Amino acid sequence: SQTIHQWPATLVQPVGSPLSLECTVEGTSNPNLYWYRQAAGRGLQLLFYSVGIGQISSEVPQNLSASRPQDRQFILSSKKLLLSDSVFYLCAWNPQGGNEKLFFGSGTQLSVL
Amino acid sequence: DQQVKQNSPSLSVQEGRISILNCDYTNSMFDYFLWYKKYPAEGPTFLISISSIKDKNEDGRFTVFLNKSAKHLSLHIVPSQPGDSAVYFCAASDQGGSQGNLIFGKGTKLSVKP
Repeated sequence: SQTIHQWPATLVQPVGSPLSLECTVEGTSNPNLYWYRQAAGRGLQLLFYSVGIGQISSEVPQNLSASRPQDRQFILSSKKLLLSDSVFYLCAWNPQGGNEKLFFGSGTQLSVL
Repeated sequence: DQQVKQNSPSLSVQEGRISILNCDYTNSMFDYFLWYKKYPAEGPTFLISISSIKDKNEDGRFTVFLNKSAKHLSLHIVPSQPGDSAVYFCAASDQGGSQGNLIFGKGTKLSVKP
């Protein structure tokens, strides 16, 4: 069966520090991969999605970036965190080529102080 | 411009009664709709979906209704249980789209009181 792993669950970082959140999917090949964020009282906002290794599409301009170095690995990064980056980040996947439901990871609560 | 709208940020229901969560959309190209349930500090979990070729889909205590002419869908939970207390997100997809990205509403926080 397919599983998605996202870590860490919580993270506290100082302003201006770098960020790296990792997400991996097991049990499937060539998945679509997504990074979402959820701010308090807000919906889920798509940040990045990827349909293959090295293929990244950005939905929202920001100081974040994403990379997909391997088929089932998706990384969210920042060179310098801002206070406004303090939100809940979610990784998700779904099968390639379909509009089936997304499967979400457990999320990372980032606090930038 | 918000394509998927959940106009009620919160809803409180007594245990055993029906919970009705509403969702409106503006994009007529959407043809697949989903509901997700989310507990605090956890990722959303899929609850139920409906294709635009249907107007109703039922799964146990959960039923989703779709009114295409009104661009409106609703999730009915009956009977409501305290464990149903969570944030519910409505999402929509354009199956003709190349990526299958879901557009989410802002969510409705459901509180079921014992």
